Amino acid sequence: GAVVSQHPSWVICKSGTSVKIECRSLDFQATTMFWYRQFPKQSLMLMATSNEGSKATYEQGVEKDKFLINHASLTLSTLTVTSAHPEDSSFYICSASQRSGTDTQYFGPGTRLTVL
Amino acid sequence: GESVGLHLPTLSVQEGDNSIINCAYSNSASDYFIWYKQESGKGPQFIIDIRSNMDKRQGQRVTVLLNKTVKHLSLQIAATQPGDSAVYFCAENGNDMRFGAGTRLTVKP
Repeated sequence: GAVVSQHPSWVICKSGTSVKIECRSLDFQATTMFWYRQFPKQSLMLMATSNEGSKATYEQGVEKDKFLINHASLTLSTLTVTSAHPEDSSFYICSASQRSGTDTQYFGPGTRLTVL
Repeated sequence: GESVGLHLPTLSVQEGDNSIINCAYSNSASDYFIWYKQESGKGPQFIIDIRSNMDKRQGQRVTVLLNKTVKHLSLQIAATQPGDSAVYFCAENGNDMRFGAGTRLTVKP
């Protein structure tokens, strides 16, 4: 149980385009979803926390207009990287928890974004 | 919770030996702790958790020890196998979830 999927698993795009990444909880309802990015050989860096039906809470230094997060249902959250640039290339990972933000987080497999 | 981007410490062990991965946590009010395993190119996987009313919890080949006095958490892996090679993160749940920097475990055959 507690499976989280992400789609796509990898994406290559041109600079200036927008990319949408989906995060789904497959066998449970996720009250809260989290988006992280991870650079090679580094720990997870939280970008934002989203609760179903409300606006995401962004961490300091994360541009909300650049990284659009939508948590439209209890099983789906999306992250859209708008006007992507090469420096946005990274590994993006979502996680989901059933109850509050302090509940166990179950992670998706990640999405590798490469911006040319 | 926010983790800090750091270059990861590493631990190298021989196949068959026991591994001990340590983690210091920051919030004395944290009451729930989790260990995650992350293989290269994949998302973190839940391994084992422990609540603050316990000092020790065992799973299959893994044991988590909690020392609240010194705010220290450890993960012990028995008879380490090549498939255990990964980065291991601890996480503490207090007001929010906070992740440790992670430790890269390499198992030598």
